Amino acid sequence: DTAVSQTPKYLVTQMGNDKSIKCEQNLGHDTMYWYKQDSKKFLKIMFSYNNKELIINETVPNRFSPKSPDKAHLNLHINSLELGDSAVYFCASRDGNYGYTFGSGTRLTVV
Amino acid sequence: AQSVTQLGSHVSVSEGALVLLRCNYSSSVPPYLFWYVQYPNQGLQLLLKYTTGATLVKGINGFEAEFKKSETSFHLTKPSAHMSDAAEYFCAVTPMDSSYKLIFGSGTRLLVRP
Repeated sequence: DTAVSQTPKYLVTQMGNDKSIKCEQNLGHDTMYWYKQDSKKFLKIMFSYNNKELIINETVPNRFSPKSPDKAHLNLHINSLELGDSAVYFCASRDGNYGYTFGSGTRLTVV
Repeated sequence: AQSVTQLGSHVSVSEGALVLLRCNYSSSVPPYLFWYVQYPNQGLQLLLKYTTGATLVKGINGFEAEFKKSETSFHLTKPSAHMSDAAEYFCAVTPMDSSYKLIFGSGTRLLVRP
């Protein structure tokens, strides 16, 4: 299936831990994104990469570090997790005609 | 800075009734406009988008939206609600810059009464 896939789907971890979320797209898109959806369902852009190059970094704490080993992958590493990091994180990719495809999300719970 | 306002965090309609979800944007230059739907515990699915051309845009599942530049609006409608339409709906814009990011409204939860 052509899609944007994220792993894991659920992640429960303790405060202070470091965790990673992986994202892969097989759509051939050059641009990928990370969005955060908070408990009130509000969606906000975090990062964007175009062909492995960082193009958007939206005032996200530097505990969050995206990494794009190739244009099909965009991973998100989070250091020293805090309670406020609990959210659903969505990966997305974009084609040349403003078609955005979203992954199914990773629900992160920090306890 | 661009922003999107969705009027009404919750909208409740009877099955078979008209669905109207409101979206207004603020931008000096008309952006590209989108409506997404999110079912519980799922990702976002594109309903429709406006980039250029005809201002009345038809999407999936019987939804349509009309871009009205004079009103800076992009309201979503469906003539007859179905129980399966119950979900969260997000309006979004892409600013006309090189970021191509989506800026989302706060969402509207559509409830469909039997």
